[in-house]
Amino acid sequence: QKEVEQDPGPLSVPEGAIVSLNCTYSNSAFQYFMWYRQYSRKGPELLMYTYSSGNKEDGRFTAQVDKSSKYISLFIRDSQPSDSATYLCAMSGRNNNDMRFGAGTRLTVKP
Amino acid sequence: DAGVIQSPRHEVTEMGQEVTLRCKPISGHNSLFWYRQTMMRGLELLIYFNNNVPIDDSGMPEDRFSAKMPNASFSTLKIQPSEPRDSAVYFCASSLPPNYGYTFGSGTRLTVV
Repeated sequence: QKEVEQDPGPLSVPEGAIVSLNCTYSNSAFQYFMWYRQYSRKGPELLMYTYSSGNKEDGRFTAQVDKSSKYISLFIRDSQPSDSATYLCAMSGRNNNDMRFGAGTRLTVKP
Repeated sequence: DAGVIQSPRHEVTEMGQEVTLRCKPISGHNSLFWYRQTMMRGLELLIYFNNNVPIDDSGMPEDRFSAKMPNASFSTLKIQPSEPRDSAVYFCASSLPPNYGYTFGSGTRLTVV
């Protein structure tokens, strides 16, 4: 079993839809949870960062962490074609140097 | 800030040749990471440096891979000899703890034929 599991998709939604992306993990030592967005032929860029359990909102993006279930989510409201990218979840323990990434979910938002 | 700078952007080489990938981290960042990304395996951590010192190279696949960081502003990843299965996108990333999250470069797309 991988430490971080993420459905690779692909996921295709119409413009304006609410998108839900999810990851599960097995290592209970993870404390920091991140979402990265990767456009084609680019490096991943940090989108959201959450510590421990709870929610964090930034504009159209909401990150949720449920440590009891070892489950994290990213919601995108009013999705736009410019949101089309691969979204990778990532998590680390207290040491920032042990980050593990999910496989990434490829999202397409159709106009 | 110019971000993390990687060169070359693309590299095509023949099997058996030596390949050197280069990275300039963000100034002031004291941790540097080398990742490899493939469709099959996703993002894999190869090695990371803290204050120019290699801390964990357990992800380096074989002795054919080596990495150096001679100073705070430069790192190299070398593959010698290269093999077709080394074909992938290689990313360099840097960070400054305790800020979490890494800043990635644009990657080097390596093709070994």
